[in-house]
Amino acid sequence: NAGVTQTPKFQVLKTGQSMTLQCAQDMNHEYMSWYRQDPGMGLRLIHYSVGAGITDQGEVPNGYNVSRSTTEDFPLRLLSAAPSQTSVYFCASSWVKTGSMNTEAFFGQGTRLTVV
Amino acid sequence: GQQLNQSPQSMFIQEGEDVSMNCTSSSIFNTWLWYKQDPGEGPVLLIALYKAGELTSNGRLTAQFGITRKDSFLNISASIPSDVGIYFCAGHSGGSNYKLTFGKGTLLTVNP
Repeated sequence: NAGVTQTPKFQVLKTGQSMTLQCAQDMNHEYMSWYRQDPGMGLRLIHYSVGAGITDQGEVPNGYNVSRSTTEDFPLRLLSAAPSQTSVYFCASSWVKTGSMNTEAFFGQGTRLTVV
Repeated sequence: GQQLNQSPQSMFIQEGEDVSMNCTSSSIFNTWLWYKQDPGEGPVLLIALYKAGELTSNGRLTAQFGITRKDSFLNISASIPSDVGIYFCAGHSGGSNYKLTFGKGTLLTVNP
């Protein structure tokens, strides 16, 4: 049982390059989300999805796009990378029940991104 | 937006000591969660609290959901070296709000 799988684990980008961070879960969770973790800032929500075809913005969405075409996958796209996007990115998933997320979220191992 | 104040930011303790950390919020939460993050890994859920006043244990860990619903505490008894990591509190206001709000974390170092 793989849980939440993120790829790649490490990535270096040049300013202005684009890339997609992949996230896949095999638990049939409806809710998936992306966080970024910066020193002294904790985890901040970028985007989230409560099901295929449904996405919404979190606390820090600027510079990132997401889509949810399947239940399993929730990729995060950086269209034009900036040094301010240097961070560790975590994908998380959980069930949705009765109109609210199940708060017991499962996290992936993270993607460490450096933008130079 | 909602904010969580987590303290202390870091702790350096000796093996065998007890540890206490807490989170306070400017608004009410319906759920409090405590996560641990090991170096190079994603956060892992330790304890979930769903009711004001609730006291829940998980081995040497005990967490409480404050009566005011604006705070929570995590205690670790008889610390061991593998307790090292970053501990995060998180709150959820419930209903159709699908967002978790995280504290900034407490970095715990345990000296053998």
